[in-house]
Amino acid sequence: AQSVSQHNHHVILSEAASLELGCNYSYGGTVNLFWYVQYPGQHLQLLLKYFSGDPLVKGIKGFEAEFIKSKFSFNLRKPSVQWSDTAEYFCAVIMEYGNKLVFGAGTILRVKS
Amino acid sequence: NAGVTQTPKFQVLKTGQSMTLQCAQDMNHNSMYWYRQDPGMGLRLIYYSASEGTTDKGEVPNGYNVSRLNKREFSLRLESAAPSQTSVYFCASRPDRGLNEQFFGPGTRLTVL
Repeated sequence: AQSVSQHNHHVILSEAASLELGCNYSYGGTVNLFWYVQYPGQHLQLLLKYFSGDPLVKGIKGFEAEFIKSKFSFNLRKPSVQWSDTAEYFCAVIMEYGNKLVFGAGTILRVKS
Repeated sequence: NAGVTQTPKFQVLKTGQSMTLQCAQDMNHNSMYWYRQDPGMGLRLIYYSASEGTTDKGEVPNGYNVSRLNKREFSLRLESAAPSQTSVYFCASRPDRGLNEQFFGPGTRLTVL
């Protein structure tokens, strides 16, 4: 069965610090990859997605992620975080032509102002 | 478009009571999903429906039943609620088995005493 691992459950950063959240998945075939964000008290929203092509994907609010197939990784990055980035971030994977997303356990990011 | 809507937003039940969580989407999506979100465990799939009239078990189906009433609506029923079912429940939809992300509803926070 597929699984998704997010390396850190809690991350605390100061404003303007750089962010990298790790995500690894276990499936060996072709996959589609997603990062979702959940702001406090809100539902999940899509940050970015990778289906094919350029492995460096840019999303909303200055986030980007790099797909490294050899490492089964899809790490999320942002060069300079803001207080408003405080949220929980979820990595998710789906097999190509599959219909079930598998989510990681989530990483709670707190940005100190 | 309202997207994915869920009712109720909050609910408190006593052990053994039953209730139905409602979900509807107005995006003409084929696939619909029910997840539960628990701290440190990410989102776990309870049931999903790939099309009207079909339903399949996900990762944690025990204690739940679902109905795909029509293309728009997908309900989740707890026949005899247990404290272990205290969670936040999210409904999601997706256009088809192709390369599209899931769209999430606002969630239902359920407490079982």
